[in-house]
Amino acid sequence: SYELSQPASMSVSPGQTASITCSGDNLGEKYVCWYQQRPGQSPVLVIFQNRQRPSGIPERFLGSNSGNTATLTISGTQPMDEADYYCQAWDKSTAVFGGGTRLTVL
Amino acid sequence: QVTLKESGPVLVKPTETLTLTCTVSGFSLSSVGVGVTWIRQPPGKALEWLAHIFSNDEKSYNTSLKNRLIISKDTSKSQVVLNLTNLGPVDTASYYCARISRGFRGSYFDSWGHGTQVTVSS
Repeated sequence: SYELSQPASMSVSPGQTASITCSGDNLGEKYVCWYQQRPGQSPVLVIFQNRQRPSGIPERFLGSNSGNTATLTISGTQPMDEADYYCQAWDKSTAVFGGGTRLTVL
Repeated sequence: QVTLKESGPVLVKPTETLTLTCTVSGFSLSSVGVGVTWIRQPPGKALEWLAHIFSNDEKSYNTSLKNRLIISKDTSKSQVVLNLTNLGPVDTASYYCARISRGFRGSYFDSWGHGTQVTVSS
């Protein structure tokens, strides 16, 4: 079965840039989504189709996907961005999530 | 405004069958390119996709759970139902339903319910 790998955790200082990676075989040939999940809340879509932002998502959230790695980049990270982030892709007609990355802003 | 709301039992016994209902509003289950998915999250763990159903009744299941899952919809009631059979403690999780929007470049889960917590215990 297809697998997506993410670093378990990372930290960033306020105002700095956070880059969260998601790896999978030939992931660049698929379309990747990213979801943000704050503590105690439901996930929220922040990036779809590799680099598209839903309405209401700040411009500081950027997505890219090439080769075997997709990346979620958060520029000018704010304390409110502290959350778990999950990448997701499709393997044929089944959805696959990465293991999630806990982003700490300190 | 798109909303999804999960409902079902909070506590179920091992070997029983779990029935969860997702009631949607703000969109129709008959709209082209729209579907509903179920996703779960064990305490402190990652999201796990379970199944989805589209407006044309196209269904797909997590291959590791396929023999235990059944998804169905009642368009007139705006509801999607998930059944998970032969429950065990590992099925203890928060269960979410979400809307799927199908685009030319892949589908995505653009609206989520608040989730419902299910505990499997005798």
